[in-house]
Formats: sequence, structure tokens, C-alpha cells
Amino acid sequence: EAGVTQSPTHLIKTRGQQATLRCSPISGHTSVYWYQQALGLGLQFLLWYDEGEERNRGNFPPRFSGRQFPNYSSELNVNALELEDSALYLCASSEAGAILPSVYEQYFGPGTRLTVT
Amino acid sequence: KQEVTQIPAALSVPEGENLVLNCSFTDSAIYNLQWFRQDPGKGLTSLLLIQSSQREQTSGRLNASLDKSSGRSTLYIAASQPGDSATYLCAALIGGAQKLVFGQGTRLTINP
Repeated sequence: EAGVTQSPTHLIKTRGQQATLRCSPISGHTSVYWYQQALGLGLQFLLWYDEGEERNRGNFPPRFSGRQFPNYSSELNVNALELEDSALYLCASSEAGAILPSVYEQYFGPGTRLTVT
Repeated sequence: KQEVTQIPAALSVPEGENLVLNCSFTDSAIYNLQWFRQDPGKGLTSLLLIQSSQREQTSGRLNASLDKSSGRSTLYIAASQPGDSATYLCAALIGGAQKLVFGQGTRLTINP
């Protein structure tokens, strides 16, 4: 069974540009989560999508947005990039998170490393 | 606000030793607790998940316990091997919000 996949592996952008990161969940999973792992700040929850809807977002500015497509894959967009947006962005997926939130594990992808210069 | 703390931040032990990694959380109203492993520059590998109604879970040489009343979880690694060297993270699931709150991790080094 294929795991969570993310693309691209690495992304280099200039301050002020926009970045788009992509995630494909495990087959059968309907929930997708985005986390940011910035140096020195640990892993921070960004966004949760389930069945095409944004269910929850973490304490991040509106520059961070995303969407979930009908095939449950997801996109994270970061507008007006700032230097401190440089981080490893991790995507995770789980089964039916909106229905039984406690039961299902979140499985993580390999991440996209975003570097803003 | 849920806060998760891991002690120690780093640990170096010789191969073959049994060891314990600690995780504490401030709000006992968690749905579950997960332990992950992260190799340098890589994503997370889920090791064990303990539901809030459970006390412990085991997988091979790993055993994780959960004590909600005291706000603590431990990860026990038996007969450590150099391949166990990685950063170990614990994360508490906040129900409803469906978000994992992570500790800062314990960087483990097993010396041959």
C-alpha cells in the first residue's frame, strides 16, 4: 500500500513569491493535515481538511491557505513568502477524522522542504 | 492550551541498553497519544498509538504507556540498537480540533 506522498521534495522561493505544496493521502483516507516544522519551533499544526472542507486551522496568518480536491489530495498555498516561512512542511492523512477523531492514526509523508531566500 | 514536554532533549547510550523516554502533557482531555520517530531531514514514522482508554501498547521492542491522570506517557525501548538512533516525538491528539500537539522531541543516539 502506497503511503502519503508529497511534492516537490524541495522548493526554493524568493521572499514575496507564492509557494504551492501538494499532498496525496493514503488510498481510502479522507482527512488530510498540514504541519510546519520550522527550525527551533518544533512541529506546529497548520490545517485540517476532511471531505473537501477546511475543518480547523492552527495559529497561522491567512497567507497560509489550502484546499482539498474530490480525490482527497490536497494543496497548501503560502502567499507573500517571508524568510521565516522556511521550514519542512509535513502532510498527514487519516481515515474519517471528522467522524471518529480519536480512533485513527495520522500517517505522515516525507515532507517538502521550503527555503525562502 | 495543551502543552507537551519531552525529557530529556537528548540521550546517548551504549548499544544493548534498555531506555525510557518521557512525555508529559498539561491537559488530560486528550483523545489519544502517538509516538513517532523522525530521522534527520525526513518525515515522521508512527511507532505506537495509545487510545485515551488504554494504558499501554507494544510493538516489538517498543512499549508505550499512558497515564492520563498524571499527564504522562513513556516510551520504553528494549535492547537498543544503533539503528534506533533518531529523534523521538510524542504528540497528543486534541479531540474535535483533530490536531496533534507535539513535544520538542528527544534526540537519541545509540553508540555501537
